[in-house]
Amino acid sequence: NAGVMQNPRHLVRRRGQEARLRCSPMKGHSHVYWYRQLPEEGLKFMVYLQKENIIDESGMPKERFSAEFPKEGPSILRIQQVVRGDSAAYFCASSPPGTAYNEQFFGPGTRLTVL
Amino acid sequence: AQRVTQPEKLLSVFKGAPVELKCNYSYSGSPELFWYVQYSRQRLQLLLRHISRESIKGFTADLNKGETSFHLKKPFAQEEDSAMYYCALRPTGTASKLTFGTGTRLQVTL
Repeated sequence: NAGVMQNPRHLVRRRGQEARLRCSPMKGHSHVYWYRQLPEEGLKFMVYLQKENIIDESGMPKERFSAEFPKEGPSILRIQQVVRGDSAAYFCASSPPGTAYNEQFFGPGTRLTVL
Repeated sequence: AQRVTQPEKLLSVFKGAPVELKCNYSYSGSPELFWYVQYSRQRLQLLLRHISRESIKGFTADLNKGETSFHLKKPFAQEEDSAMYYCALRPTGTASKLTFGTGTRLQVTL
């Protein structure tokens, strides 16, 4: 099991462009979480998804950000019209089905730089 | 609202010295507490969780509900313990989000 995969590992965008970050959960995992880490800060929750459903998006900015986890394929975090403040490391985590006591396994992160 | 506080950004200790990484939390319900570690150039990984009550790599952490703390301790620090350590919380028995502290960098020197 290769673990949680994220790509790209590094992404550079100019202001106003779109950024697409991909996350492939571990095999058998149906829960995906996205976290953002700004410089000098801890990881902040953004969104929690299960296949084809958004369960909790309380940490997502109201505009420009969206996430999906389709029936087939990776989870995508999409940032439209990026601004310099979006520069951060974005981490994806996955966990197996069920609710209680399941560990979240983290990917290596995507470092987004907005010029 | 949930909050996790790690008051120290950097903790520098000598090899063989005791280590205590502080974590305090604020949560009105029943919390589940975790310590995650990130070694250089590696991904974030779970070190231990309070419900397991186990020692991992010599580290232990006890949940103190009275003081709302979950400090991470090790009696004798090793060089390979140098890493970023994050304390995290989530409501007990749920698959919901983790709330992280800002992290403490542990630096073990000879």
